[in-house]
Amino acid sequence: ETGVTQTPRHLVMGMTNKKSLKCEQHLGHNAMYWYKQSAKKPLELMFVYNFKEQTENNSVPSRFSPECPNSSHLFLHLHTLQPEDSALYLCASSPISGTPYLDEQYFGPGTRLTVT
Amino acid sequence: AQKVTQAQTEISVVEKEDVTLDCVYETRDTTYYLFWYKQPPSGELVFLIRRNSFDEQNEISGRYSWNFQKSTSSFNFTITASQVVDSAVYFCALRGADSGTYKYIFGTGTRLKVLA
Repeated sequence: ETGVTQTPRHLVMGMTNKKSLKCEQHLGHNAMYWYKQSAKKPLELMFVYNFKEQTENNSVPSRFSPECPNSSHLFLHLHTLQPEDSALYLCASSPISGTPYLDEQYFGPGTRLTVT
Repeated sequence: AQKVTQAQTEISVVEKEDVTLDCVYETRDTTYYLFWYKQPPSGELVFLIRRNSFDEQNEISGRYSWNFQKSTSSFNFTITASQVVDSAVYFCALRGADSGTYKYIFGTGTRLKVLA
């Protein structure tokens, strides 16, 4: 596979469930990101990992728990979510080449999450 | 504070018309980077272009062109002779470089509908 992949593509979960979103990048990048995309809102950055270390947590509620075991994989563990957490969750990666100018992000197709 | 404003929520044009998508940004950083992304119905954001704050040259790529004007803090995107395949949501994004973070700020997006 190439690029950035995300699984599952669609997820429906109850508020008491625990689930995980998975992201994998095949681009040799060193930075990975989670974004939340809700209707009529800007893309919201949730977390940034740089060389497996979390460098940004954008005041995300603790019911979202990220995990980055290596530079190619990123997870988002979900538990006791609320209906307002329903959104498209996008994963992205970037090279962090040392030249920020070149660090455009490559996005996965997203996971459409519905919390019932 | 950094901010990206895309005032046009939705634009509809007839095929072959030219269309301009507006982007206005705010930042206090002296060095920053601007991006445009396309999000087709499949959900995956596709990188289109990046610009750094020191390069105000306009750019043309096929039917796409970008007009960067620091004086008005704008980075507008024009599609010439639009096609139905151009229908998508287009996002403008900003990344400041002074703080050394990798935080991207996205606008709310403009939905472009090109009618046959």
